[in-house]
Amino acid sequence: DTEVTQTPKHLVMGMTNKKSLKCEQHMGHRAMYWYKQKAKKPPELMFVYSYEKLSINESVPSRFSPECPNSSLLNLHLHALQPEDSALYLCASSLRPQTASNEKLFFGSGTQLSVL
Amino acid sequence: QQQVKQSPQSLIVQKGGIPIINCAYENTAFDYFPWYQQFPGKGPALLIAIRPDVSEKKEGRFTISFNKSAKQFSLHIMDSQPGDSATYFCAAGDSGSARQLTFGSGTQLTVLP
Repeated sequence: DTEVTQTPKHLVMGMTNKKSLKCEQHMGHRAMYWYKQKAKKPPELMFVYSYEKLSINESVPSRFSPECPNSSLLNLHLHALQPEDSALYLCASSLRPQTASNEKLFFGSGTQLSVL
Repeated sequence: QQQVKQSPQSLIVQKGGIPIINCAYENTAFDYFPWYQQFPGKGPALLIAIRPDVSEKKEGRFTISFNKSAKQFSLHIMDSQPGDSATYFCAAGDSGSARQLTFGSGTQLTVLP
């Protein structure tokens, strides 16, 4: 199994809603990532989990709350989002943390989020 | 100094043509240069990567050329096919740093049949 699976594929939420994005991999990877991608732009790193611990938070607003329950699962909890948060949210994993910046990233297909 | 500048923004070629996408960087500490391919509705996927100890790397129809002195690298797609139509991102990484990959701005490639 060489896939990173993300659910849901699409999500529409209001600014007062609470929702969660889920990501799962069974490749034995010990680093997992959340990226945000706007249309026609490169992915922007949000969070990195290394061995189930948060190692990097790229100054992301607190309305985004990541969680790594175990080495195979990664969640992103959303609360009180703004319309400008509408984007494709990508989960990725790598065998080892990118402290060497040369680990192959395996991306999921993403969750297309629309905030109304 | 962490930027990676990618050009062109978009590119249209005929089937069989050889599209070339260019990237330039400033940070001399960068020592890993991958290219990611992204189809609509999908996440990026690693296509090919190079390290600065070689000037060229080929994998199938895809070739990376690397010019260390000019701090530039480029992707060439030989005998391009309509199925190659996608967005391509170059990236750069510094293995001596905890920083993550720096992505270029992307090139939307269209290969006409």
